[in-house]
Amino acid sequence: GAVVSQHPSWVICKSGTSVKIECRSLDFQATTMFWYRQFPKQSLMLMATSNEGSKATYEQGVEKDKFLINHASLTLSTLTVTSAHPEDSSFYICSAYPGTVHNEQFFGPGTRLTVL
Amino acid sequence: AQKITQTQPGMFVQEKEAVTLDCTYDTSDPSYGLFWYKQPSSGEMIFLIYQGSYDQQNATEGRYSLNFQKARKSANLVISASQLGDSAMYFCAMREGRPGGGNKLTFGTGTQLKVEL
Repeated sequence: GAVVSQHPSWVICKSGTSVKIECRSLDFQATTMFWYRQFPKQSLMLMATSNEGSKATYEQGVEKDKFLINHASLTLSTLTVTSAHPEDSSFYICSAYPGTVHNEQFFGPGTRLTVL
Repeated sequence: AQKITQTQPGMFVQEKEAVTLDCTYDTSDPSYGLFWYKQPSSGEMIFLIYQGSYDQQNATEGRYSLNFQKARKSANLVISASQLGDSAMYFCAMREGRPGGGNKLTFGTGTQLKVEL
């Protein structure tokens, strides 16, 4: 099956620093990747849709200057949380869509961010 | 209006019994897809089953089946012969439109399933 990795799996940082999270599709190319955020005991909320070679499309209410997304290649998308604050602490999950042969998106294992 | 509604925040089932997790959806798009994902405590999202809006038969994948009632806009997940390892959060999700790279998923609020001995 299609495999998506995320790095790091968890990160603790100080308030005011920036954190970069990588999402890679390991055995397929993904023109589109998605970034989700999940608070404890809650559902996944889509933050943005990341398209290779173009600007990301952000969902309403998501600060694009705060959450920088770069889709540099067909197998890599990155999410950078800039000037992180404690309220940015969350579980961030990416997913990748391999193409119309598959109906489902494949999810990475997630990154748990804790901002002190 | 909520696009995906899961009305059961928590469910208990005895091992080896069957359990149904409810999901209703709302869309005006004639082409859509419905998904169920399992999220154990580790956090990974595990794809379980898919139903397309034009599929004539209910989807089945091993112990998972999807009770698709299009007129009622419901897509309930049935897990047969529950196992302790089935204890997890279960999410129903919908993709509106035909399959394509830009088609995002909308998730329900989830149902926490606990399988008991």
